[in-house]
Amino acid sequence: GAVVSQHPSWVICKSGTSVKIECRSLDFQATTMFWYRQFPKQSLMLMATSNEGSKATYEQGVEKDKFLINHASLTLSTLTVTSAHPEDSSFYICSARVAGVEQYFGPGTRLTVT
Amino acid sequence: AQSVSQHNHHVILSEAASLELGCNYSYGGTVNLFWYVQYPGQHLQLLLKYFSGDPLVKGIKGFEAEFIKSKFSFNLRKPSVQWSDTAEYFCAVNADGNKLVFGAGTILRVKS
Repeated sequence: GAVVSQHPSWVICKSGTSVKIECRSLDFQATTMFWYRQFPKQSLMLMATSNEGSKATYEQGVEKDKFLINHASLTLSTLTVTSAHPEDSSFYICSARVAGVEQYFGPGTRLTVT
Repeated sequence: AQSVSQHNHHVILSEAASLELGCNYSYGGTVNLFWYVQYPGQHLQLLLKYFSGDPLVKGIKGFEAEFIKSKFSFNLRKPSVQWSDTAEYFCAVNADGNKLVFGAGTILRVKS
């Protein structure tokens, strides 16, 4: 149980375009979902926390107009990278939480912006 | 701000060697502590967690960790590693009931 999926697993886009990444909790309803970014050889950095039906809470330094997060249902959250640039290339990971503290992680999405 | 420090970025061991990965955190209050593992090409998986009670926590695949409050540490151990333990290991701390703060990770390579 507690499986989280992400789609796509890998995406290449051109500079200036937008990319949407989906995060789904497959066998449970997630009240809260988290979006992380992982740079090569570095740790996961929390970008934002989203609760179903409300606006996401962004971490300091994360541009909310660039990284649009929508958590429209208890099983789906989306991250849209708008007007992507090469410096946005990274590994994006989501996690989902039912209650309490424990988070279940998705497999990640590798974004390459050319 | 909370921070998590993992002492070694790369560790290379031979099979059957003992493993200890260090993790220290900075936060003076009550914390929840986690160790996650990321096998090559796979997603993060929870190895073990500490919320309260016995400070020696046993997890999956023979791993254990000890919470030493006075040292702000939560080191991961395994008595005898296997080739299949090759992976990246992340220590994480939750101090506010919401966010996880991760350490930089330790890449473990086990030589067969």
